[in-house]
Amino acid sequence: DAKTTQPNSMESNEEEPVHLPCNHSTISGTDYIHWYRQLPSQGPEYVIHGLTSNVNNRMASLAIAEDRKSSTLILHRATLRDAAVYYCILRRVGSARQLTFGSGTQLTVLP
Amino acid sequence: DTEVTQTPKHLVMGMTNKKSLKCEQHMGHRAMYWYKQKAKKPPELMFVYSYEKLSINESVPSRFSPECPNSSLLNLHLHALQPEDSALYLCASSQVPSGVTDTQYFGPGTRLTVL
Repeated sequence: DAKTTQPNSMESNEEEPVHLPCNHSTISGTDYIHWYRQLPSQGPEYVIHGLTSNVNNRMASLAIAEDRKSSTLILHRATLRDAAVYYCILRRVGSARQLTFGSGTQLTVLP
Repeated sequence: DTEVTQTPKHLVMGMTNKKSLKCEQHMGHRAMYWYKQKAKKPPELMFVYSYEKLSINESVPSRFSPECPNSSLLNLHLHALQPEDSALYLCASSQVPSGVTDTQYFGPGTRLTVL
């Protein structure tokens, strides 16, 4: 399976945008890019996913590089509630259904 | 309702005890999962059930015994655990048939301490 690389930690100020990077240089054409986050003392929750085009939803935006070797999760206006571990996960068409979590990025939001 | 519930929230047990963790969802999902998460580490898959049948067992020791009595309920029976089994146990569910775009919904977990 293709692996992902994320920074261990990042800091952001409240109400400012946050760009969380993910490198996946060995991504294959059938790998979807998923993001989940885990708030303190909670289970992971789905954030967004994409294949090739940039994606937006109510929680975040996902920007995917043209060569798909990297992607960026964008929180447009960080709040204290966004402090969490963010996981970038690749899921391949036809592969097993479980999620394989990497080490993730711990996001700290400063008031 | 997109909620996965887990009980109990916390569990402390001795190495000779037998206990069970319970997970429930009412979203009509036919795939259910158990993950184990040690402190400061990402979740790791233990078991996958698809249509109430065990489809994946990630070489988990037999002291962990999963059970899926019906499409809404998933149990994890614990027996003769070791202190290193102390962790957060997470349950998740998703639709079947799966695609790589399906979302997994996680419960809040059971924090297990083995003395």
